[in-house]
Amino acid sequence: KAGVTQTPRYLIKTRGQQVTLSCSPISGHRSVSWYQQTPGQGLQFLFEYFSETQRNKGNFPGRFSGRQFSNSRSEMNVSTLELGDSALYLCASSLSSGSGTDTQYFGPGTRLTVL
Amino acid sequence: AQSVTQLGSHVSVSEGALVLLRCNYSSSVPPYLFWYVQYPNQGLQLLLKYTSAATLVKGINGFEAEFKKSETSFHLTKPSAHMSDAAEYFCAVISGGYQKVTFGTGTKLQVIP
Repeated sequence: KAGVTQTPRYLIKTRGQQVTLSCSPISGHRSVSWYQQTPGQGLQFLFEYFSETQRNKGNFPGRFSGRQFSNSRSEMNVSTLELGDSALYLCASSLSSGSGTDTQYFGPGTRLTVL
Repeated sequence: AQSVTQLGSHVSVSEGALVLLRCNYSSSVPPYLFWYVQYPNQGLQLLLKYTSAATLVKGINGFEAEFKKSETSFHLTKPSAHMSDAAEYFCAVISGGYQKVTFGTGTKLQVIP
């Protein structure tokens, strides 16, 4: 079974631009979560989608948004990029019974650099 | 609110020595606890998870962790370190259902030959 895939793997943007990252979950997984990883802040939860609905949201500004499609694939968008948005963005998928016991499987991440 | 604290951002052990990575959690409800490993330029891989079935949890690659409610701890151990264990390890907690995971700040494990 194929793992979680994220595209692109590397991205360079300039301040003020916007960016869209894509995540394809493991087949059959309906929950997709996004995380931002930086040396200073560590791993921070962005949001989680289940059945095309945002079910959980972390403490990020509205410039960060996401969506999920009917095939469970997910995209996240960051508008008006800032230097501080440079990070590794990780996507994770799970079956998601909602109980919290489901294992999250992580993709390799998208490394975003904002110049 | 939930949180995890990992003591020691860097830990060095000799090859063959005991690995002990510390994690303490804070949760207002019974938590689910996880340990993940991250190798350079890769995503996170689940080592093991505690979901209240058993307090001693065995994971992959010879790692195990013990849930101690009285100490609010979930320390990760491995009897004998291998060079391939060099990586960054994250403790994480979910409480209150759904998939909102809170991660610790990570511990980088160095294995000295």
